[in-house]
Amino acid sequence: NAGVTQTPKFRILKIGQSMTLQCAQDMNHNYMYWYRQDPGMGLKLIYYSVGAGITDKGEVPNGYNVSRSTTEDFPLRLELAAPSQTSVYFCASRRQGRSEKLFFGSGTQLSVL
Amino acid sequence: AQKVTQAQTEISVVEKEDVTLDCVYETRDTTYYLFWYKQPPSGELVFLIRRNSFDEQNEISGRYSWNFQKSTSSFNFTITASQVVDSAVYFCALSEYSGGGADGLTFGKGTHLIIQP
Repeated sequence: NAGVTQTPKFRILKIGQSMTLQCAQDMNHNYMYWYRQDPGMGLKLIYYSVGAGITDKGEVPNGYNVSRSTTEDFPLRLELAAPSQTSVYFCASRRQGRSEKLFFGSGTQLSVL
Repeated sequence: AQKVTQAQTEISVVEKEDVTLDCVYETRDTTYYLFWYKQPPSGELVFLIRRNSFDEQNEISGRYSWNFQKSTSSFNFTITASQVVDSAVYFCALSEYSGGGADGLTFGKGTHLIIQP
């Protein structure tokens, strides 16, 4: 099993550009998450999904969009990139149940210049 | 209100010293789950331990131990005889059972642990 796979690993965007961060998991997990990590700030939840076709906002959703058309994939879309979106982005998934641990992807380092 | 507080931003010790990382949490739920994750310099997030609110037994795994105390809302992590490979950022996280808000773990800001040779 590959676990949670994120692409790309690194990306530089210009202000106003758009891009999609890809996330796929092969563990048949219904629950998937996008977090962003800023230096010294821990991880903050952007969006999450409890199954195909169902998504919901986390703590910091502004400037992002998500979709969940399949159980495996949970892409994160940045529209009109801004310098404030410079961060490391982590995708994660878990089995059903709030006691379940999160499995994380290796992260995407995004710079908006 | 911050739900998970890791007051120690950075700790630096010399190899073989013992070190304790503090975690204080806040929740109204009677059922909840606490986690510790490690983020080494390579950047990935590695799961270390999970504890539920009903189990206050301390846990020991090799050089690692965890002290969960509901009375003080704390879930502290101790590394005994630290090694350079323990250098990383350590995150404490909370999952609330009823979770009136968003699903997912709430993370502390992390403690950067530096083990000097």
